[in-house]
Amino acid sequence: GQQLNQSPQSMFIQEGEDVSMNCTSSSIFNTWLWYKQDPGEGPVLLIALYKAGELTSNGRLTAQFGITRKDSFLNISASIPSDVGIYFCAGPLIIQGAQKLVFGQGTRLTINP
Amino acid sequence: AAGVIQSPRHLIKEKRETATLKCYPIPRHDTVYWYQQGPGQDPQFLISFYEKMQSDKGSIPDRFSAQQFSDYHSELNMSSLELGDSALYFCASSPGGAIRETQYFGPGTRLLVL
Repeated sequence: GQQLNQSPQSMFIQEGEDVSMNCTSSSIFNTWLWYKQDPGEGPVLLIALYKAGELTSNGRLTAQFGITRKDSFLNISASIPSDVGIYFCAGPLIIQGAQKLVFGQGTRLTINP
Repeated sequence: AAGVIQSPRHLIKEKRETATLKCYPIPRHDTVYWYQQGPGQDPQFLISFYEKMQSDKGSIPDRFSAQQFSDYHSELNMSSLELGDSALYFCASSPGGAIRETQYFGPGTRLLVL
C-alpha cells in the first residue's frame, strides 16, 4: 500500500496564487524530501528536511517537517507558469529489510494564465 | 553543478530482446539507486548499490540485474523484455555522511518495448 498519502492529487489555480500541498504517513521518517517532476524528466529535488519541526525555504518554496515526523507540507507562493508539473513528497523507509525511498501519489499542478 | 547522467535517454526494443541502461552518479556520491516509473505512477524502487556492493533490493524482476563498477557508474541489464517493461527508468545517487538519504535523480531513460 501507499506509505505516503499526498493531497491534493491535482490543483488548478490562477497565476499568482499561492499553493499548498501536504503529505502524511503512519510511519516515522528521519528525512523528508520534496521533488518536482516535469513530463518525461527526472524528479528534481526542491527541498530536503532532516529535523522534526524544521522549516526550510528555497525561493518561493517553503516546506516544513512535522513535529511528529509523520507529515510535511510544501507551499509555493505567487505561482508562475514554470511551476506547472507534478510534485512528489518522498522519504526513506526500511521495508522488508530493504531501505528504499517511498513516494506520495503526487500533486499535479496546473496554472491557468 | 554536476548532475546524474543517464544513457541512453530513449530506447526502443522488441519483445524478448535485452537492454542495458547506464548511470553515472554525481562525483563523490557513494550510493546509486535504480527506479522504474510507469505512466501516471510514482517511481518504484528497484535496487541500490553502496560502494559497489548491492545494498538493497526492491521490486526488481529476476530478468533484470544490475551492478556498480569501480568508477561508481552503474548499469541496469534487462533481459527477455516484455511489453510491461515499457517505462521511465531513473537512476539516483546520494552522498555519504549525514545526508546520505538525500537522493538526486537523473533525467531518466524512456524504454519502449514493442
